[in-house]
Amino acid sequence: EVQLVESGGGLVQPGGSLRLSCAASGFTFSSYWMKWVRQAPGKGLEWVASIKQDGSEKYYVDYVKGRFTISRDNAKNSLYLQMNSLRAEDTAVYYCAREWYSTGDYWGQGTLVTVSS
Amino acid sequence: EIVMTQSPATLSVSPGERATLSCRASQSVSSNLAWYQQKPGQAPRLLIYGASTRATGIPARFSGSGSGTEFTLTISSLQSEDFAVYYCQQYKNWPPEYTFGQGTKLDIK
Repeated sequence: EVQLVESGGGLVQPGGSLRLSCAASGFTFSSYWMKWVRQAPGKGLEWVASIKQDGSEKYYVDYVKGRFTISRDNAKNSLYLQMNSLRAEDTAVYYCAREWYSTGDYWGQGTLVTVSS
Repeated sequence: EIVMTQSPATLSVSPGERATLSCRASQSVSSNLAWYQQKPGQAPRLLIYGASTRATGIPARFSGSGSGTEFTLTISSLQSEDFAVYYCQQYKNWPPEYTFGQGTKLDIK
């Protein structure tokens, strides 16, 4: 059974940093692109970043470029999102998802990031 | 950026009836369109990809159609578990610039 479990969310002050993790199991992690998608409270879905199987290609939505870094450790079946210079508008539930034909076919349950003083 | 616009924002339908949800792209995305279902407190669930192909395990009452800029998700006979928010997502561009619609909330009438 495919499972994705996010962790690392919490309350952080504006300008602060946070590192999210996503533990994958039930499939060959190294064979799939992976992505992060976020959802602000009461709002819709927003793609944040994607990473290729071997980590050699990474793509981001414009307004996180230079602040967020997606990475992965295939030996640990783990996906990460390093978030720096956080802003109030980054407050959201962050989901990791397995990419399949550029869609997300499996999703974690999400981890809440709250940016507030 | 390709903007996805869904209509209506809210759709009220009785169980057993048909629901038709629309999604429009600001420019052609060919058939690079997916639909997701999201229930409160849950992660999204992939329903349709390639505009019309059902994902694994998705019941046949869900169908997708369209290409280019106009797309439709049809639920042929609504079950109680189908009342949720539905999102479309385009994945045309490369490098990736995936964008979602704002969602349609399907309510019980």
